[in-house]
Amino acid sequence: LAKTTQPISMDSYEGQEVNITCSHNNIATNDYITWYQQFPSQGPRFIIQGYKTKVTNEVASLFIPADRKSSTLSLPRVSLSDTAVYYCLVGDSKGGKLIFGQGTELSVKP
Amino acid sequence: ETGVTQTPRHLVMGMTNKKSLKCEQHLGHNAMYWYKQSAKKPLELMFVYSLEERVENNSVPSRFSPECPNSSHLFLHLHTLQPEDSALYLCASSRGQGGTEAFFGQGTRLTVV
Repeated sequence: LAKTTQPISMDSYEGQEVNITCSHNNIATNDYITWYQQFPSQGPRFIIQGYKTKVTNEVASLFIPADRKSSTLSLPRVSLSDTAVYYCLVGDSKGGKLIFGQGTELSVKP
Repeated sequence: ETGVTQTPRHLVMGMTNKKSLKCEQHLGHNAMYWYKQSAKKPLELMFVYSLEERVENNSVPSRFSPECPNSSHLFLHLHTLQPEDSALYLCASSRGQGGTEAFFGQGTRLTVV
């Protein structure tokens, strides 16, 4: 299984763009990259998933370089309610176990 | 509302009690998961079921016993737990196993006294 590495924590201010990078040097050909958001005492919530290049939805963008050894979750114009832990996962649909790493604790300040 | 429902939301039990956690999904998913999350820690994968068969038991003590009677329901039977088992227990489901989008329940906050 591809192991992921993320910063433990990040601070930001309201209205800023936040970029969280995840390293996954051993990503396999069949692996997708998925990001989740978790608020305290709640289950994680799916944010975005991608395989290569760029993916965008109404919440975030996901940038994946050609070698796929890293990915960057981009949150545009964050608000206080974006304060949460963000997890990066890699896995495929056949053998993956949906393993969560340490995650990045994002704190958005006024 | 994620489509995955866990009951109860809160549970306090003694070390000699037997209780069960329930998870239910009607999303048509064929993979279901149990996770444990202790305070300020990442999620620890406990069990994975795919098409009602247990495909992963992540070295979980036998005092935790999962059951998946059908693709919509998942149980976690608890007996003779220890105080260190107090945690948030999360259930999730996904269409495929592993890399596809997973939906989580709100969790059961378990306190062992």
